[in-house]
Amino acid sequence: NAGVTQTPKFQVLKTGQSMTLQCAQDMNHNSMYWYRQDPGMGLRLIYYSASEGTTDKGEVPNGYNVSRLNKREFSLRLESAAPSQTSVYFCASSEGRYNEQFFGPGTRLTVL
Amino acid sequence: DQQVKQNSPSLSVQEGRISILNCDYTNSMFDYFLWYKKYPAEGPTFLISISSIKDKNEDGRFTVFLNKSAKHLSLHIVPSQPGDSAVYFCAARQGAQKLVFGQGTRLTINP
Repeated sequence: NAGVTQTPKFQVLKTGQSMTLQCAQDMNHNSMYWYRQDPGMGLRLIYYSASEGTTDKGEVPNGYNVSRLNKREFSLRLESAAPSQTSVYFCASSEGRYNEQFFGPGTRLTVL
Repeated sequence: DQQVKQNSPSLSVQEGRISILNCDYTNSMFDYFLWYKKYPAEGPTFLISISSIKDKNEDGRFTVFLNKSAKHLSLHIVPSQPGDSAVYFCAARQGAQKLVFGQGTRLTINP
């Protein structure tokens, strides 16, 4: 099992460019999440999907959109990247009563 | 407002000694707490958890303590090993679907 996979691992964008971060999980989990990690800020939830067909905003959703393509895949889109979106992005999935989340390896995004 | 706080950005401990990482929270509705460990260039991995109905949970070298009246939890690692050097995040479950994370504490184990 690969667990949670994310592509790409690294990306450099210019201000105003768009891109989509891809995430897939092979654990048959219902719930999936997108976080960003910034120095001194911990992990902040951007969007989540409790089940296929549903998405909800997290703590910092502005400037992002998501798509739950199917049970396995959950993508994060930046329509017009800004330098403030320079961060490391993590995707996670979970199942079960206690919501123990499993994380992917992350995407390091730099917006110039 | 930060609902989960880790007030120590870093901690340095000698190999073999006890490491104690602390976490405070403000929301009394949190009912489940987790600790994650993160190595550089990797995603966080689940380490240990505790339900709010308990005050202690132990798993090998790792023990988590919960003091509900103080809204405080701590992670004890004993004995500390070089491979324990990482960033540790505490998290609290908010509702059925979300976790709220602290800022993280970087633990360095010195030989």
